Order: sequence, then C-alpha cells, then structure tokens
Amino acid sequence: TQLLEQSPQFLSIQEGENLTVYCNSSSVFSSLQWYRQEPGEGPVLLVTVVTGGEVKKLKRLTFQFGDARKDSSLHITAAQPGDTGLYLCAVSGGGADGLTFGKGTHLIIQP
Amino acid sequence: NAGVTQTPKFQVLKTGQSMTLQCAQDMNHEYMSWYRQDPGMGLRLIHYSVGAGITDQGEVPNGYNVSRSTTEDFPLRLLSAAPSQTSVYFCASTKSWGGGSPLHFGNGTRLTVT
Repeated sequence: TQLLEQSPQFLSIQEGENLTVYCNSSSVFSSLQWYRQEPGEGPVLLVTVVTGGEVKKLKRLTFQFGDARKDSSLHITAAQPGDTGLYLCAVSGGGADGLTFGKGTHLIIQP
Repeated sequence: NAGVTQTPKFQVLKTGQSMTLQCAQDMNHEYMSWYRQDPGMGLRLIHYSVGAGITDQGEVPNGYNVSRSTTEDFPLRLLSAAPSQTSVYFCASTKSWGGGSPLHFGNGTRLTVT
C-alpha cells in the first residue's frame, strides 16, 4: 500500500481554467510539503502545511491540509502555461530517513 | 548562490562499469540524501547522511555506495552498473531532518545503462 496517493496522475487543461489536485493517505502526518518539478530540473518546494485545516495561498495556488492531517489539496485558479509541471506531495515519518513522496500529478496547461 | 550542484548532468554506461555521481552543497546543511526518479515509481530514497562520517540506507540501496567525508560533499557510487539502474538521480540537502524543513534538490543526473 502506497503511503501517499496523488490524483489525478495526469491532467491537461486549457489556460484560464481552474483545477484541483489531491494528495491522500490513511496515515496522520505532522506536516506535508508540496513541490513542483519542471522538466530537466529538481523539485522545488512550494509550501509546507502543518496545522489541520490550514489554508495557505501562494499567488494563484491555494493549499489546504485536511482537518485530520491525512490529506491535502492544491487548487490553481486561472491556470497559466507556466504552471505546467509535476506536482509532488511529500511527508516525513519524523525520523532521519527523509521524505516519502507521492508519485505526483503531471499537469499540462495548454495556451 | 549555487545551492546543490550535481555532476555530470548526463551519463551513459555499459553494464558492469562503475562510476561516481558527484553532489556538493554550499548551504552548510547537515542532512544530505540521494533519490532516484523512475516513471510510475516516483522519487525513492537510496541513501542518506545526517552528518559527516554518518550514512544510512534508504528504500532502494542495493548496488549503490555512499560516503560523507565532508559536510559539503556526498558522492554516490555505482559499483557495477546494471540496466535496472537507468534512472534520473537527484541529490538533496536540508538544514534538519524529521520533517518541516524543505529539501533543496540538485538538477539531477540522467543515467543510462546499456
């Protein structure tokens, strides 16, 4: 059983549309991170959510941590081609063995 | 402001060859790690280090070796390359482990083993 399930796996929409991607688990986490990865580059941190129910905004991106701290969503308003990329969620088990990543959502925004 | 630097960016090996993927960071981070990224598998942890002289295995350590002689450098060695090791390899560092602190990634090494 995968620790983190991300959905959808692939999403292709037109510029200007809104979208939501999800990161779900049956486990409770103390924090959850979202990364974006562009082709040929490493992932870059977008946000860390810590508190159940927390909502964070980064320009047109809205991140929410579920009340039970088992899931998270990323909503993009008026998507732009520059939002194209692989969106990854990641959690820590609390130890030194690093982050566990979901498999990601491949997002393509067509002009 | 270099951050995490990985070399080479691309490499082609024949089965059985060995090589070292280099990783260096200039942020004085204690924690460094290596991941491999494969289609449909996501990012998987190979080895990690919580400080100079200390290394440990991650989820997929077989066929790889690491050492951490300095805070800055964390090379990954492929002992005898196999086609199953064809992948994109990422080195990452962070100020502290245990969650919350962001991982800083290099831009990856794309390795093909024929």
